[in-house]
Amino acid sequence: DAGVTQSPTHLIKTRGQQVTLRCSPKSGHDTVSWYQQALGQGPQFIFQYYEEEERQRGNFPDRFSGHQFPNYSSELNVNALLLGDSALYLCASSIRPADTQYFGPGTRLTVL
Amino acid sequence: KQEVTQIPAALSVPEGENLVLNCSFTDSAIYNLQWFRQDPGKGLTSLLLIQSSQREQTSGRLNASLDKSSGRSTLYIAASQPGDSATYLCAVPRGSQGNLIFGKGTKLSVKP
Repeated sequence: DAGVTQSPTHLIKTRGQQVTLRCSPKSGHDTVSWYQQALGQGPQFIFQYYEEEERQRGNFPDRFSGHQFPNYSSELNVNALLLGDSALYLCASSIRPADTQYFGPGTRLTVL
Repeated sequence: KQEVTQIPAALSVPEGENLVLNCSFTDSAIYNLQWFRQDPGKGLTSLLLIQSSQREQTSGRLNASLDKSSGRSTLYIAASQPGDSATYLCAVPRGSQGNLIFGKGTKLSVKP
């Protein structure tokens, strides 16, 4: 049984570019949450998707957007990248929105 | 507003020592509390989850306790090993919602 998978593993972009990160949830899970973890900090909640809709959102600007597909996989899109967007982006899945979350290995984004 | 704090930020101990990591939270109305391990540049591995009705959970050499009234949790690691070196994070759910609020973590180094 595959756990949560994320792609790509690493990504390097320049300021102003756009990026898309991908997440496949654990088998049987229908809810996907995204977190941003800056170096030396704890993860910060970005948003959560359930039934192909954004259900909850943290304190992140509209440059951060997402999508959930009918197979429950999800994308995180970040537009107009800033140096401060450099971080580890973590995806977590759960059976339901309020259930225990299982985390993927993360995508390391570096913005130059 | 729920805030999670972890003390100390870093800890270095010789192999074989028993140690305690601390986590405090400002709002005692939590549903559960979770301890995670994170190796450098990697995702999160769930270690223990304590429900609000429980006082402690044990897994191998790990024991986590929860005191809701005082807003504290501790993670006890017995007979520490170099392989225990990692960052340990605690997190609580935001209200009844699934998204998690994390502390900044304690970076543990166990010296051979």
